[in-house]
Amino acid sequence: GEDVEQSLFLSVREGDSSVINCTYTDSSSTYLYWYKQEPGAGLQLLTYIFSNMDMKQDQRLTVLLNKKDKHLSLRIADTQTGDSAIYFCAESKGGGADGLTFGKGTHLIIQP
Amino acid sequence: NAGVTQTPKFRVLKTGQSMTLLCAQDMNHEYMYWYRQDPGMGLRLIHYSVGEGTTAKGEVPDGYNVSRLKKQNFLLGLESAAPSQTSVYFCASTEYGGAETEAFFGQGTRLTVV
Repeated sequence: GEDVEQSLFLSVREGDSSVINCTYTDSSSTYLYWYKQEPGAGLQLLTYIFSNMDMKQDQRLTVLLNKKDKHLSLRIADTQTGDSAIYFCAESKGGGADGLTFGKGTHLIIQP
Repeated sequence: NAGVTQTPKFRVLKTGQSMTLLCAQDMNHEYMYWYRQDPGMGLRLIHYSVGEGTTAKGEVPDGYNVSRLKKQNFLLGLESAAPSQTSVYFCASTEYGGAETEAFFGQGTRLTVV
């Protein structure tokens, strides 16, 4: 199966919370990341969490990690039209020299 | 702050033609990467480099070659382009190879092979 899995689409109303989910398989992953890709642009690091943490909060963003279930989620509070983008979950394979393993990306669609 | 710059941004090639994509970073990063992004798929690693003069294969290296003659530049070459290489190519760099290091991405090169 895929190393990192995400659903491809999520549609939310402006002002609601968005929750984007991700599952990964490599238990040796030390860091897990969320990258944001806006239309026509490259990926930009949004936030990351170290594997010994359960939660990380940064303004409107909350990352939850369930290491037992290998489940990662990104919650965006008070979703705005500017949050419309593709969100990629990624895991490191320890050393980092071979880069990151990305999920397929979740396209967040904001409804007015 | 330039960060990671890719050239060209768009290109159309005929099958069998060759071309080189250039990636330049001004952050003195040791590690550089080339990924391809295809519709409905995540990024897949093509080749990477852990320092000047070094290259290594990633997940999908076939049909591509790379060179890292200067620390700031990482070139991706297609010797004989095929329609299957139609994709968006992203270059990235990291300061070093630690798992906690942030990857900085270029804006991408959209390549179409007809």
